[in-house]
Amino acid sequence: DTEVTQTPKHLVMGMTNKKSLKCEQHMGHRAMYWYKQKAKKPPELMFVYSYEKLSINESVPSRFSPECPNSSLLNLHLHALQPEDSALYLCASSPGAWGDPSYNEQFFGPGTRLTVL
Amino acid sequence: RKEVEQDPGPFNVPEGATVAFNCTYSNSASQSFFWYRQDCRKEPKLLMSVYSSGNEDGRFTAQLNRASQYISLLIRDSKLSDSATYLCVVNQSGGSNYKLTFGKGTLLTVNP
Repeated sequence: DTEVTQTPKHLVMGMTNKKSLKCEQHMGHRAMYWYKQKAKKPPELMFVYSYEKLSINESVPSRFSPECPNSSLLNLHLHALQPEDSALYLCASSPGAWGDPSYNEQFFGPGTRLTVL
Repeated sequence: RKEVEQDPGPFNVPEGATVAFNCTYSNSASQSFFWYRQDCRKEPKLLMSVYSSGNEDGRFTAQLNRASQYISLLIRDSKLSDSATYLCVVNQSGGSNYKLTFGKGTLLTVNP
């Protein structure tokens, strides 16, 4: 299994809703990532989990809350979002194991297209 | 100097043409370099890692020049299916090695 899966594919939510995005990989990768991508822009890193611990938070507002329940799963909990948070949210994973020359080759899931009304 | 800078494009080429993309990076301590392609409304897909000695995969050749902090991607005999945005990606060694910085991308359209 060489893929990263994400659910849902599309999500429309109001500013008062709480929702969660889910990401799963079964490649044995030890690093997992959340990115946000706006139209015609490159992906922007939000969070990195390494060995199930949060290692990077790129000063993301607290209305985004990541969670890594185990080495295969990554969630992004959303609460009180703003319309400007509408974007494609991408999950990625990489081997993340020191000594592996491909340790930071990142593989992306198909993304969740989020619209905040 | 921007962290990762690419040709702004867009590139429009006929099928069968050879096209080259260039990229420069500012962090001399960077250790990992990649080319990704991204189709419209899809996720980025890893095209190639770029190694110091240069590497080739079929019609695609990547080169790295550490002295000039320059990366290139050459596509030979371009196909319609090569139409996509090509992203130059560099890790930011010195901080966390997990952090990749993406260039803004260069849009390629291959025409019949």
